[in-house]
Amino acid sequence: KAGVTQTPRYLIKTRGQQVTLSCSPISGHRSVSWYQQTPGQGLQFLFEYFSETQRNKGNFPGRFSGRQFSNSRSEMNVSTLELGDSALYLCASIAGTSTGELFFGEGSRLTVL
Amino acid sequence: QKEVEQNSGPLSVPEGAIASLNCTYSDRGSQSFFWYRQYSGKSPELIMSIYSNGDKEDGRFTAQLNKASQYVSLLIRDSQPSDSATYLCAVKPSGGGNKLTFGTGTQLKVEL
Repeated sequence: KAGVTQTPRYLIKTRGQQVTLSCSPISGHRSVSWYQQTPGQGLQFLFEYFSETQRNKGNFPGRFSGRQFSNSRSEMNVSTLELGDSALYLCASIAGTSTGELFFGEGSRLTVL
Repeated sequence: QKEVEQNSGPLSVPEGAIASLNCTYSDRGSQSFFWYRQYSGKSPELIMSIYSNGDKEDGRFTAQLNKASQYVSLLIRDSQPSDSATYLCAVKPSGGGNKLTFGTGTQLKVEL
């Protein structure tokens, strides 16, 4: 069974640009969550999608957005990038509607210069 | 006060010893608790989940939950060098969805 696939794995952007990250969950999983991981703040919840609907949202500015498609694939977008957005962005696939048991992808490492 | 607190470590234990990792949380309404392991340069992986007070054992791992004290712990018996990693405690509040609040993790080093 294929795992969670995130693309791109690494990317470098400059301040003010925007970025789109993609996540394909485990086959059959309908829930996807996104987390930002930084050395100082650890893992912080961005948002969760289930059946194309955003179910939860973390305390991030509106520059951070996401969506989920009918095939459960998800994308997140960050506009007007800031230096502080440099982080590892992790997508997690969840089997049930509310189990809390997350299966993470390898992440997309974003560097903002 | 952080919602989920862990000692950042590093916690160093000799090979074969018991490693004890601790976590406290502030939301008394939390219902589900998890331990994730993260190797350096890798993504977190779920190793234990616990939902009710008491102990839950899985191989060399035992998770302990005390909701009254708002305390979760992870014991690793017969620690191996391959257990060297950062261990993340995560808490899910009551209600629907899968939003987890993570602690910043405890780095464990198992020494030969």
